[in-house]
Amino acid sequence: DVKVTQSSRYLVKRTGEKVFLECVQDMDHENMFWYRQDPGLGLRLIYFSYDVKMKEKGDIPEGYSVSREKKERFSLILESASTNQTSMYLCASSTRTGGTDTQYFGPGTRLTVL
Amino acid sequence: AQSVAQPEDQVNVAEGNPLTVKCTYSVSGNPYLFWYVQYPNRGLQFLLKYITGDNLVKGSYGFEAEFNKSQTSFHLKKPSALVSDSALYFCAVRPPGSGNTGKLIFGQGTTLQVKP
Repeated sequence: DVKVTQSSRYLVKRTGEKVFLECVQDMDHENMFWYRQDPGLGLRLIYFSYDVKMKEKGDIPEGYSVSREKKERFSLILESASTNQTSMYLCASSTRTGGTDTQYFGPGTRLTVL
Repeated sequence: AQSVAQPEDQVNVAEGNPLTVKCTYSVSGNPYLFWYVQYPNRGLQFLLKYITGDNLVKGSYGFEAEFNKSQTSFHLKKPSALVSDSALYFCAVRPPGSGNTGKLIFGQGTTLQVKP
């Protein structure tokens, strides 16, 4: 089974702090994604990566950056956390092999910015 | 613009009754379609997908979905609902021409409440 893990389930940070959210997948997937989930808004794509050191902006990249130095790890960085970044953050991965693009999700990190 | 719509914020059904969670999409060409389920404080779990072939797709936990190209719909169904099916359900579409990025477009989600 695919396993996607996220470094924290719950995180509380203060406004202005730099926040790192880590995601690791163990299935050698090429693609990795970061979403935020807010009630009534569904999942919104922040950034994605289709290869090591490659990244592309999603729909809401402002205030975020990412890093992918190794294939299995994809980090989301909040450069200066703000209260409007309080949300559930979900990481996902998928493989291009087979071409079906099924995404597998981690358990999520619920981030609160005070 | 390419989009996915789940017209109902919440669906209520009695245990043992059939359930339907609706999804319509707006993309050109032949999309890949997915359903995911999210239990409280958990990530999304893959339920089923339609790529090509038979319009009726069977997935996990007794769920199935029917692809209807003329109505651009991909409704999720189950013949007999269980209380444990209560969760948040997401429909998603991979637009054709999205290359190797694997990007999906998600609907806003539908909460399914199954009452005993």
